[in-house]
Amino acid sequence: DGGITQSPKYLFRKEGQNVTLSCEQNLNHDAMYWYRQDPGQGLRLIYYSQIVNDFQKGDIAEGYSVSREKKESFPLTVTSAQKNPTAFYLCASSIVTGVGTGELFFGEGSRLTVL
Amino acid sequence: AQSVTQLGSHVSVSEGALVLLRCNYSSSVPPYLFWYVQYPNQGLQLLLKYTTGATLVKGINGFEAEFKKSETSFHLTKPSAHMSDAAEYFCPMIKAAGNKLTFGGGTRVLVKP
Repeated sequence: DGGITQSPKYLFRKEGQNVTLSCEQNLNHDAMYWYRQDPGQGLRLIYYSQIVNDFQKGDIAEGYSVSREKKESFPLTVTSAQKNPTAFYLCASSIVTGVGTGELFFGEGSRLTVL
Repeated sequence: AQSVTQLGSHVSVSEGALVLLRCNYSSSVPPYLFWYVQYPNQGLQLLLKYTTGATLVKGINGFEAEFKKSETSFHLTKPSAHMSDAAEYFCPMIKAAGNKLTFGGGTRVLVKP
């Protein structure tokens, strides 16, 4: 079945440590996104990529980094510079052009807790 | 700038009662609109979407929404709430494919027995 796989589902980290969240898709979608979700704040865009080897900052990119070396993979690194990293992180993908309507397909999410 | 406003961060309904979730948008051009549902600790699932054509859109799980350009609204309804409808609902919009989705704050639905 096609879809988006995020791992790990739960992650604990100590302050000052970097952590990388994995996102893989087999939908052959061009675009991939990372969102952060906090209670009562909806979804906020961290980074997005519409093509391999290219990505753009979203609304809250500070303290995060990404790479897009392969079409199917878009890992997110939460660095020690992120002041409040405890959150639920969602990865998504979409078709960019042609028959695409902009609909996002989401992974199951990764919950990061900083101890 | 485009934006989405979901009226009511929390909505409580009785089982069997009408579910009505309100969504208003602001956009310089008619947008594509979506409703997503999120169950606890899970990703978002698409309920329905409006792109062009018929303004009354039917989705999964008995939900439907009507695009009203004159009111800049895309409210979500379900005639009879079920306990399994307890979740958070989001109404994002996009101006065209390839652009970023704009999300509102979401509405959490509680269903009372």
